[in-house]
Amino acid sequence: GAVVSQHPSRVICKSGTSVKIECRSLDFQATTMFWYRQFPKKSLMLMATSNEGSKATYEQGVEKDKFLINHASLTLSTLTVTSAHPEDSSFYICSASTPGGGLEGYTFGSGTRLTVV
Amino acid sequence: EDKVVQSPLSLVVHEGDTVTLNCSYEVTNFRSLLWYKQEKKAPTFLFMLTSSGIEKKSGRLSSILDKKELFSILNITATQTGDSAVYLCASTSGTYKYIFGTGTRLKVLA
Repeated sequence: GAVVSQHPSRVICKSGTSVKIECRSLDFQATTMFWYRQFPKKSLMLMATSNEGSKATYEQGVEKDKFLINHASLTLSTLTVTSAHPEDSSFYICSASTPGGGLEGYTFGSGTRLTVV
Repeated sequence: EDKVVQSPLSLVVHEGDTVTLNCSYEVTNFRSLLWYKQEKKAPTFLFMLTSSGIEKKSGRLSSILDKKELFSILNITATQTGDSAVYLCASTSGTYKYIFGTGTRLKVLA
C-alpha cells in the first residue's frame, strides 16, 4: 500500500535554531499534503495544506513565517520550524492523499517528535 | 465553524468489556467520517464511513454512521489490553480537509 515516509522521527534542538521535517510519498505522487500538530493528550490540529508548486494554505492562527512549508515536488513536502522555542515542542505529522482518490482516506507519516530545549 | 466532538474523553474498562465511543460532527460539505487508532505514533486507519446505517466491521471493531443525526459510533467488543489507545474520529469536508475530534483515550485493564 501507499507509504508516506517522515523524517526525522525524533529531534531535539536548542531554542532559536531551525528544524526541518521531511515528508515523502513513496511510490506515488502526492499533489496535496497536510501538516498536523498534536499536543500531549490532544487531537491532531491541521496547520496547513501544501500543494505541489504553489504556496501552502495555512490555518487560522498558524504563523506562516514560523512554520515554513515547501512542496517542491510531487513526492516531497517539508516543514521548517524557524527560530524554535520550547512552546513549539510537539508531535508533527504529515499526511498525503493516497492514489485512487481520497475515499480510502489519507496516509499518514510516522510523525516527528520535536523537543526544543 | 466545522467541528467534531468525541465522547467520552477517556474511558477505563476491564478486559472482556464492550465499549462504545461516540463522535458527533458539524461539517460543511461533509464527505466522509473516519476512525483512527493512535498509539504512540501516527494514527492508523480503522474505518471510513460515507453512508448512513451501513455497519462496517473488522474483527471485534465495528462502526456505523447516522447522517441525519450527524454522529457515528465505534464499538469494540471483548476488549483486550492491546486495544488501549486514543481513538480519533475525523470528518472530511468538500476541500478534503480533515477535522479531527478531541479523541477518546481508552485504557483496558487486564
